[in-house]
Amino acid sequence: DTGVSQDPRHKITKRGQNVTFRCDPISEHNRLYWYRQTLGQGPEFLTYFQNEAQLEKSRLLSDRFSAERPKGSFSTLEIQRTEQGDSAMYLCASSFGGLSSYNEQFFGPGTRLTVL
Amino acid sequence: KQEVTQIPAALSVPEGENLVLNCSFTDSAIYNLQWFRQDPGKGLTSLLLIQSSQREQTSGRLNASLDKSSGRSTLYIAASQPGDSATYLCAGDQNFVFGPGTRLSVLP
Repeated sequence: DTGVSQDPRHKITKRGQNVTFRCDPISEHNRLYWYRQTLGQGPEFLTYFQNEAQLEKSRLLSDRFSAERPKGSFSTLEIQRTEQGDSAMYLCASSFGGLSSYNEQFFGPGTRLTVL
Repeated sequence: KQEVTQIPAALSVPEGENLVLNCSFTDSAIYNLQWFRQDPGKGLTSLLLIQSSQREQTSGRLNASLDKSSGRSTLYIAASQPGDSATYLCAGDQNFVFGPGTRLSVLP
């Protein structure tokens, strides 16, 4: 399968615990995005990388959230001291961005986080 | 700040009907516009990407148009089928803003 993959698919944790999610983009894609989606809403942008550089972060990305893409390939999203309000679907997408490309985004299946 | 709205929020139609979903955005500097479908509990599947230099894009029974001057995009679905039942989302490139989606039900 050459699509975007995310791991784990589901995570249940207790309030105050730390969690980490992984995203593996389509191999030739240089851009990687993280979004959060709550029930009945469209995805909300969190952050985006071009290669290993984190180029943009949303105000939604509080100090408890950190994302990395150390070698410009896979990315991790860590949430520290989870709160019940962090319960959501976390979506990863990738695209190929360049001078002659149009940056079509392809999404992974998501990681559903439940904070008890 | 870009804002994206989608009308209607939900739509229920009998199988075989042609239908139109609407997407409006406030910033006409939108670069590209992408339409997605999302099945319950799943990720998003890309349907169509309309480049800034294009006015429309077609794939099978789907046709999407983009009018930057009026801040609108429409997704036309021809001869709807029960398998088309899903939530349809639009999003503007380079500002990463999604609409809330239109929940479509196609009844057999």
